[in-house]
Amino acid sequence: AQTVTQSQPEMSVQEAETVTLSCTYDTSESDYYLFWYKQPPSRQMILVIRQEAYKQQNATENRFSVNFQKAAKSFSLKISDSQLGDAAMYFCTQGGSEKLVFGKGTKLTVNP
Amino acid sequence: DADVTQTPRNRITKTGKRIMLECSQTKGHDRMYWYRQDPGLGLRLIYYSFDVKDINKGEISDGYSVSRQAQAKFSLSLESAIPNQTALYFCATSSGLAYGETQYFGPGTRLLVL
Repeated sequence: AQTVTQSQPEMSVQEAETVTLSCTYDTSESDYYLFWYKQPPSRQMILVIRQEAYKQQNATENRFSVNFQKAAKSFSLKISDSQLGDAAMYFCTQGGSEKLVFGKGTKLTVNP
Repeated sequence: DADVTQTPRNRITKTGKRIMLECSQTKGHDRMYWYRQDPGLGLRLIYYSFDVKDINKGEISDGYSVSRQAQAKFSLSLESAIPNQTALYFCATSSGLAYGETQYFGPGTRLLVL
């Protein structure tokens, strides 16, 4: 069975600083994708970044990057130069052959 | 216009009532999903459909049913609503063309069962 664990229910960061959100997962599948979704107070689910498991190179999207450690089944999200608009719930997600499995989320607060 | 729409956006109902949540998409995707979000639990899969004739139960399907009326429409029904079905419900779609294809979410429906 697929499982996704986010061990930090809440995190906070100062504006302009860097923060890392942790995620570990477990799957028996050899081909899969990993995602980070953001859910701001508007409650819309927004894709932040996507990583193919067969790629060794870590994905980056502007201020967002991941540290993907396949052997350790770890997939952390780094947010650089944090902005007030980054405040949201962040969900680590693993996509297998048929469906996505979500972690329970990390609430990120950005302090001015 | 939004690619994935959900109606209604908010709904209050009473225990025992039948309600339907609707989802429509203009992305031309074959795969559609219904999720439920509860505080502290993330999103959990209720039902998913890979095409009009293919519907599958997710991890928490008890108390729910679905209908895939067309490629673009996927409805979720609560036959007899109960208070612990109070939650935020999301519809999502994906093309399924590639393994682990990105899912695109609707804006959510907030349901309160009294």
